[in-house]
Amino acid sequence: KQEVTQIPAALSVPEGENLVLNCSFTDSAIYNLQWFRQDPGKGLTSLLLIQSSQREQTSGRLNASLDKSSGRSTLYIAASQPGDSATYLCAVVSGTYKYIFGTGTRLKVLA
Amino acid sequence: DVKVTQSSRYLVKRTGEKVFLECVQDMDHENMFWYRQDPGLGLRLIYFSYDVKMKEKGDIPEGYSVSREKKERFSLILESASTNQTSMYLCASSRGGNQPQHFGDGTRLSIL
Repeated sequence: KQEVTQIPAALSVPEGENLVLNCSFTDSAIYNLQWFRQDPGKGLTSLLLIQSSQREQTSGRLNASLDKSSGRSTLYIAASQPGDSATYLCAVVSGTYKYIFGTGTRLKVLA
Repeated sequence: DVKVTQSSRYLVKRTGEKVFLECVQDMDHENMFWYRQDPGLGLRLIYFSYDVKMKEKGDIPEGYSVSREKKERFSLILESASTNQTSMYLCASSRGGNQPQHFGDGTRLSIL
């Protein structure tokens, strides 16, 4: 059974720092992996999707990498800003329509 | 931009009531999903639909049903609401199995 883990559960960093969020999964047979952002009381906003054949995806200050063999993905945020404060979730797609979510990392960027 | 609209942001209902949560997407997506999100448990899939009138059970379908009469609309029905169904409900849609999911803003449902 696929399990997705995100460590740490919470993180506080000063503004301007580069940071890495981690996502681990137990079954490497995935279709793709998606990173989301969730603001308090809101839905999820899609950030990046990495297909299983890809190694990384970039969007602005965000870079997501995927290493299927080791069951890991990282989300790199460059030059963090207070507006980046949110909960970040990863989800792996294992089997058709089957999204398995991690419980997220709650990020706080201090001004 | 894809827009997924959930009919209510907040809803308060009583135990035993039949509750309808509505979700509409404007991008002609084939797939639609209903999740619930609870602290410490993350998002759990209730039901999904891959076409009009087609539905599949997710991980926690008990106590729920769904309806998809039109491609753009996916409804979640709580047949007889109970207090353990108090939660945040999130609707999502996607174009296909290998395409990103897009979420609505969620409905925070309280069952008293």
